[in-house]
Amino acid sequence: GAGVSQSPSNKVTEKGKDVELRCDPISGHTALYWYRQRLGQGLEFLIYFQGNSAPDKSGLPSDRFSAERTGESVSTLTIQRTQQEDSAVYLCASSLLGETAHSPLHFGNGTRLTVT
Amino acid sequence: GEDVEQSLFLSVREGDSSVINCTYTDSSSTYLYWYKQEPGAGLQLLTYIFSNMDMKQDQRLTVLLNKKDKHLSLRIADTQTGDSAIYFCAESINDYKLSFGAGTTVTVRA
Repeated sequence: GAGVSQSPSNKVTEKGKDVELRCDPISGHTALYWYRQRLGQGLEFLIYFQGNSAPDKSGLPSDRFSAERTGESVSTLTIQRTQQEDSAVYLCASSLLGETAHSPLHFGNGTRLTVT
Repeated sequence: GEDVEQSLFLSVREGDSSVINCTYTDSSSTYLYWYKQEPGAGLQLLTYIFSNMDMKQDQRLTVLLNKKDKHLSLRIADTQTGDSAIYFCAESINDYKLSFGAGTTVTVRA
């Protein structure tokens, strides 16, 4: 079946512009995650959704970052007034349940964001 | 704290064994994971180990856990060119959050 789909795969934007990144999780997966991968660094947790609610937003770097999820399906990560330090690969993952070991994370291919 | 460290690069000859090492800091981690990322693709779960286990074997993969030293390793036997990828070590922080290392790039040479 279809895996986690992210769009766009690449995005180049000018500093100060807003961007929206989209994630389509695997159908039926209740949990959805956003991670950020900077060059040479580990994945950085951003936010976790269980259904449409986000019990943990602690990883969002600033109030320029927001995310929502609708219909227990698609999620959108929005970055307002982008800065050069926002350049990274943004990865989305979904899992059947919220508990990690018995419900492995399935990752999308990511969106590579470049802020010029 | 949440800090997972692993070496950045490993070069191995085809047919040899690869060993990728990782250290973590959270002694309360319940599960530890190895993920594989091929070029242009997302991360794929390879294997995981429960913290009360010392070893787990799955075909060519062997995971060793030294909980006292907070050291995790992944051994790939008979390494093939298809094993060339970035391998990420991760520890569970809670029921839903993982802390990842920076990844080890494994290059398999003929």
